Amino acid sequence: GAVVSQHPSWVICKSGTSVKIECRSLDFQATTMFWYRQFPKQSLMLMATSNEGSKATYEQGVEKDKFLINHASLTLSTLTVTSAHPEDSSFYICSARGGGSGRAGELFFGEGSRLTVL
Amino acid sequence: GQNIDQPTEMTATEGAIVQINCTYQTSGFNGLFWYQQHAGEAPTFLSYNVLDGLEEKGRFSSFLSRSKGYSYLLLKELQMKDSASYLCAPFGISNDYKLSFGAGTTVTVRA
Repeated sequence: GAVVSQHPSWVICKSGTSVKIECRSLDFQATTMFWYRQFPKQSLMLMATSNEGSKATYEQGVEKDKFLINHASLTLSTLTVTSAHPEDSSFYICSARGGGSGRAGELFFGEGSRLTVL
Repeated sequence: GQNIDQPTEMTATEGAIVQINCTYQTSGFNGLFWYQQHAGEAPTFLSYNVLDGLEEKGRFSSFLSRSKGYSYLLLKELQMKDSASYLCAPFGISNDYKLSFGAGTTVTVRA
C-alpha cells in the first residue's frame, strides 16, 4: 500500500515555542492531505484539509492562525503549532488520499507525532 | 455531519469471536471503512464496504446494510495482538468526502 511518513514521532517543547510537523507521501502524489488530532482515549478529530497549492480548509473550532498548514508540493504538507501551550499536547496524525488503492476515500496515515508542551 | 455510534469497550478471550456493531447517519453515503488502531499508533486499514453484504478477509469480516445505516466488524479466532481500538468510518459526499471517525471500540483480548 501507499506509504505516508510523518516526522518527528515525538517532540517536547517549552510553552510559547512553535513546533513544525512534516507529512510526506513517499510513493505517490497527494493533492489532499488531512490533519487529525487525538487526545488520550478519544476519537480522531479532523483539524483541517490541506490542499496542494492553495489554502487549507479548517474545521469548525480549529484556529487557523495557531495551526498553520502549508502544502507546498504534491508530497509534502506541514503543520506548525504556533505558540504552543500545554493544552496543545496531543497526538497529531496526518493522512493522505490516493496511492491507487482503488478504494474511494481510503486514507493512508502517517505514524503520528506526539507533542508534549511543558 | 455524521453520527457514528459504536460500543465503547468489549472484552473477550483468546480464540473467541467478537462482533463490533456500528450505526451511522449520513447523507450521500458512499462507503464505510473499518480501521484498527493500537495504542499510541496511527490507524491501519482493515476493510471497506460499498455494497450490502459481508466482506470476508481472513479472520476479519465486515458487513454493511446501507438501508439500515448499519455495519459490523467480526473478529474471529481472537489473538492477543488484536487488542486495539476499532474505528468505524462512513464516507460520503455529505461531508465533502472527508473521513470522520467515531470514538472507536476498544477491544481487550484476555488469555
